Order: sequence, then structure tokens, then C-alpha cells
Amino acid sequence: DTGVSQDPRHKITKRGQNVTFRCDPISEHNRLYWYRQTLGQGPEFLTYFQNEAQLEKSRLLSDRFSAERPKGSFSTLEIQRTEQGDSAMYLCASSLLVGTRMTDTQYFGPGTRLTVL
Amino acid sequence: DAKTTQPPSMDCAEGRAANLPCNHSTISGNEYVYWYRQIHSQGPQYIIHGLKNNETNEMASLIITEDRKSSTLILPHATLRDTAVYYCIVRVAVSGGSNYKLTFGKGTLLTVNP
Repeated sequence: DTGVSQDPRHKITKRGQNVTFRCDPISEHNRLYWYRQTLGQGPEFLTYFQNEAQLEKSRLLSDRFSAERPKGSFSTLEIQRTEQGDSAMYLCASSLLVGTRMTDTQYFGPGTRLTVL
Repeated sequence: DAKTTQPPSMDCAEGRAANLPCNHSTISGNEYVYWYRQIHSQGPQYIIHGLKNNETNEMASLIITEDRKSSTLILPHATLRDTAVYYCIVRVAVSGGSNYKLTFGKGTLLTVNP
């Protein structure tokens, strides 16, 4: 399968613990996005990378959240000192923006469902 | 990004065409219309996008009105597996290093009935 993959698919943790999620984008995609989705809502943008550079972060991304994409390939999203309000589906998407093209299509992974007890 | 308005839910009989409407009356000239769908507990799946012209691919057709203020996603022969939440998203054109995030609303829950 050459789609976006995410690991783990499910994570249950206790309040106050740190968690880390991984996203492997489609090979050669230069853009990578993180979104969060809570029950009954559409996904909300968190942050995005172009190659290894993190170019924008949403206000939703508190200082407990950090994302990296060290070599411009896979990315990690870490949440420190988790809170019950962090319970959500965390989605990763990747895209390829080439040259002068004016749009890129984002392809999503299956998501990581986080439950904070 | 322009806001979109979609009905919260729709039903369709299996084998019939499903026509999902979307209003985006404040769309700008450089904004694309994207459609995604999300089957329960899965990540969103890209369906189709367009700027001005009607578009068709193996999954669906996208009809954009001439004034671009509304569009319709057409699934020509709906199956039970098409039951999902369908999101219509208006997205500004990307330029240089600019983002473009997708801004999702609540979408339309399409239920395909046997």
C-alpha cells in the first residue's frame, strides 16, 4: 500500500502522560499536514510542513504539542502532559506541490485515535 | 476560505444517482471547490475538485454553476459503500510556500439504502 500510514491506530493513555504519533506520507510528497477531529466535527487544521520546515501552526496547537519532520519524510506529533480534552482522532495528510501549480490535493491517512483517561 | 453550506443529511436508494448540493456564495475567483468523504472511523478520502469547469473522474462528477456560487457532487450509481459524510470545501489557490489547509464544516451524511 502506497498511501499515507499512521502509527499507532489507537492509543489509550492516562492524563498527564506523554504520547507520540507517527505519520509516513506518500513517498516524495513534500507537504505534510496534521489535523485533529473530535466527535461529530470535521477535521481541524493543526500544523503543516513543507519538506522539513514547519511553516504554520494553528492556535489549537498549544505549547504541549510539538511536531517534527526531521528529514522531510515521516513526521511525529507529540503531546506532553495529556489532558482529557486531547481525546480525538489525529489525522495526517500529505500532498505534492510542484512548480507553478496552484493547488495540491491532500491525501489522508487512517488516523490515530487517542483516548485520555 | 469561503464558507460552505450543505444539508446535514440525505438519503439515496442503492443504484440511483446521489446528488449532493453545496452553496458557496462568497467564493472568490481563485478558490477551488474540493470534495472529500469520510466513512465512519476512517480518514477523509479525496473525491474530486474543480475551479470553474465541470469535472469527472472514476468516482464522481462535479458540477459548478456558471456564477460559481454553488456546486453539486454526483455519484452516478450509489452503492451501500458510499454511505459516508461528504464534505464540500472551498480552498484558496496555493502559491509559493503558502499553506493551504482544508477547512472542514460538518458535511452531509449520505445514507444509501438498499
